[in-house]
Amino acid sequence: AQKVTQAQTEISVVEKEDVTLDCVYETRDTTYYLFWYKQPPSGELVFLIRRNSFDEQNEISGRYSWNFQKSTSSFNFTITASQVVDSAVYFCALIPNMNRDDKIIFGKGTRLHILP
Amino acid sequence: GAVVSQHPSRVICKSGTSVKIECRSLDFQATTMFWYRQFPKQSLMLMATSNEGSKATYEQGVEKDKFLINHASLTLSTLTVTSAHPEDSSFYICSARADGGTEAFFGQGTRLTVV
Repeated sequence: AQKVTQAQTEISVVEKEDVTLDCVYETRDTTYYLFWYKQPPSGELVFLIRRNSFDEQNEISGRYSWNFQKSTSSFNFTITASQVVDSAVYFCALIPNMNRDDKIIFGKGTRLHILP
Repeated sequence: GAVVSQHPSRVICKSGTSVKIECRSLDFQATTMFWYRQFPKQSLMLMATSNEGSKATYEQGVEKDKFLINHASLTLSTLTVTSAHPEDSSFYICSARADGGTEAFFGQGTRLTVV
């Protein structure tokens, strides 16, 4: 099976707290891509990060960081010192095999509420 | 990143009419375009994949005669919801990918309301 599981449907934290969004994926392929997208209330999808299966280095971008672990098939996303503007739905996604027609498989999303 | 423009952003139409949604890649040639549908508080559901110059490939359960997809050029794909009904009300979003590209860029989405 090829799928993405985001077990946390909804999370609420108080502003300035750190929060981690979990993502577990399944794929038979050895070459794949993982993504995180943010969907604010306006609806558009905002690209946050792409990671290919050969690159297990963790990445930090400002308050955002990502932990990719192939051993556990996880690609977790942490927001440090959260802000109200971080409130959105966050989707983890997978392209199982980078060929011409392969589609993006989305998780069900985690709705994040940052409380002032 | 590359820009994908989707138009209109919102549309309200009467039941029984047809609505066309456009998805344009503004600064790259989109070999492949994807159309998604999103119900409130749910994930994106892939409806179809279209490659320029060929017929779209529809996902199981998606009516191809209901949701007409045309990808006639490398920068434009259209989704036409034919004979729309209230149950077709949803958020539709497209994404576009260049040949050999490793990322799909998303349009802003279209919120369709059928009254």
